[in-house]
Amino acid sequence: RKEVEQDPGPFNVPEGATVAFNCTYSNSASQSFFWYRQDCRKEPKLLMSVYSSGNEDGRFTAQLNRASQYISLLIRDSKLSDSATYLCVVTPNTNAGKSTFGDGTTLTVKP
Amino acid sequence: NAGVTQTPKFQVLKTGQSMTLQCAQDMNHEYMSWYRQDPGMGLRLIHYSVGAGITDQGEVPNGYNVSRSTTEDFPLRLLSAAPSQTSVYFCASSSPGRPKETQYFGPGTRLLVL
Repeated sequence: RKEVEQDPGPFNVPEGATVAFNCTYSNSASQSFFWYRQDCRKEPKLLMSVYSSGNEDGRFTAQLNRASQYISLLIRDSKLSDSATYLCVVTPNTNAGKSTFGDGTTLTVKP
Repeated sequence: NAGVTQTPKFQVLKTGQSMTLQCAQDMNHEYMSWYRQDPGMGLRLIHYSVGAGITDQGEVPNGYNVSRSTTEDFPLRLLSAAPSQTSVYFCASSSPGRPKETQYFGPGTRLLVL
């Protein structure tokens, strides 16, 4: 079993749709959680950190359930520019240099 | 700030050749990491460093060597290239001491081993 598992996708949605991505992790000692966005053949970039209380940034909402070892990302009112691969990232302690990445979920938003 | 820079952008090697992938950051970050990304997969950690003179292995270290003589630079050496090392290599840096560190990635080096 992989340490971080994501919905394989791909997700193909129309503009304006709401889409949710799920991620589970196996290391219960994990302390920090992130969603990164990766555009085709580019480097990953931080989308948002994920907090236990849940957090929102505009159209994006991230949730963490430590008991179930589950992370989610909700995108509302999808835009064409949201098309990308979304990577779930888990860190065992405060050393971000030891992060474990999921394989990513690809989202395509169509007109 | 240039952020994280990587050279070269592309490289073709023959099996058995050696080479060094360069990575530099100008943000005074203590942590630096090397990842590889194969098609359709996430990033896998090769080696990482928590400061100058300190390195450790990640998930897939075999066939790679690193050193960290300065805070700014973290080169990755391929000792004897194999076709299985064909991949995209990303270098990243981050700073400790905050609850939620962000990793900043370089643009990547695309390596093809024939």
